Amino acid sequence: DAGVTQSPTHLIKTRGQQVTLRCSPKSGHDTVSWYQQALGQGPQFIFQYYEEEERQRGNFPDRFSGHQFPNYSSELNVNALLLGDSALYLCASSPPGQGPYGYTFGSGTRLTVV
Amino acid sequence: LAKTTQPISMDSYEGQEVNITCSHNNIATNDYITWYQQFPSQGPRFIIQGYKTKVTNEVASLFIPADRKSSTLSLPRVSLSDTAVYYCLVSRDPSGGSYIPTFGRGTSLIVHP
Repeated sequence: DAGVTQSPTHLIKTRGQQVTLRCSPKSGHDTVSWYQQALGQGPQFIFQYYEEEERQRGNFPDRFSGHQFPNYSSELNVNALLLGDSALYLCASSPPGQGPYGYTFGSGTRLTVV
Repeated sequence: LAKTTQPISMDSYEGQEVNITCSHNNIATNDYITWYQQFPSQGPRFIIQGYKTKVTNEVASLFIPADRKSSTLSLPRVSLSDTAVYYCLVSRDPSGGSYIPTFGRGTSLIVHP
């Protein structure tokens, strides 16, 4: 049973560029959430997608946008990259329903902005 | 949003029981308490979740007192592979939608031989 798959695993971008990160949720899961984790910090919630729409959003600027596809996979886009965007970006999926289920996380994409 | 407070770090030895306590004084009625484990350069892994009293699974126990203002994760007989960061979080349903896990800084547990 495949878990959450994220690609790429590592990425180096230049300040001002744009980046797209991809996530395939665990089989049977229909909700995808994205988190940013800076070094030494806990993951910070960016937004959540359900039924191809953004359902909840954390305290992140509009430079961060996303998309969910009919097969439940998702993309995170970040425009006009800043040095401070360097972090581990985590995707988490959860099963149908709105209960407080445990999320399944991917291993993340390590983004370095230079 | 319910804020959680837990120790920044803890040390233990192989074979010992480890208890990590987390405080969440303003937890709301519909909030759940969840614990995750994270190894370096990996995503967090769900350990256990509870609402009140005691929950036990194959890897840990979670104790929640009646007032629910704190919770304790208990790891029996830890091994070196339990060295990781442990997050206590309150899964909040902010608007009748889904529960969004909100992470704090976590507790770095180091298990010594």
